Amino acid sequence: DGGITQSPKYLFRKEGQNVTLSCEQNLNHDAMYWYRQDPGQGLRLIYYSQIVNDFQKGDIAEGYSVSREKKESFPLTVTSAQKNPTAFYLCASSPLRAGGFNEQFFGPGTRLTVL
Amino acid sequence: GQQLNQSPQSMFIQEGEDVSMNCTSSSIFNTWLWYKQDPGEGPVLLIALYKAGELTSNGRLTAQFGITRKDSFLNISASIPSDVGIYFCAGQLSAGANSKLTFGKGITLSVRP
Repeated sequence: DGGITQSPKYLFRKEGQNVTLSCEQNLNHDAMYWYRQDPGQGLRLIYYSQIVNDFQKGDIAEGYSVSREKKESFPLTVTSAQKNPTAFYLCASSPLRAGGFNEQFFGPGTRLTVL
Repeated sequence: GQQLNQSPQSMFIQEGEDVSMNCTSSSIFNTWLWYKQDPGEGPVLLIALYKAGELTSNGRLTAQFGITRKDSFLNISASIPSDVGIYFCAGQLSAGANSKLTFGKGITLSVRP
């Protein structure tokens, strides 16, 4: 089955620890995205990548880092510099059709709780 | 920056009723998308709209791309309990390589049986 997987579903970490969230897709999509969702808020873009070995900051990149070593994978590291890391994190991917519009498809999310 | 406005934050309807949700923007978009999110899950794409004035249906869902390109609405007819969730609108300005989405804050829909 084609799709986007995020693991784990729930993650608990102590304050001051870095933590890496996994995102894998087998849809052969070029672009991948990380969003953060807080209660009552929309989705805020953290980082995105349109090609392997390249990525751009979104609206709230501070305290986060990413890598894109493979087309299928876009892990997100929440560093100790992120002041309020407890949130629901969503990964998405989309094709990049030349001249076309590109719907984003989402993974199931990872709920991170920092204690 | 661009913002999408969805209000009210919550809607409560009776099973069987129709409901309409609006999404407005101060600037134009060239694509409008509607997503539904169940609790604890990722958003699922419901409908994508690509042309101003376009009206598209997906089962009991109907969505329209406003003629000014600054708004869109989603209508759900004959609601059922599984329609409960958060409905997000999203706009996309440019195609191809710079195709970031701007999301509204979502409307939480509750359906009373």
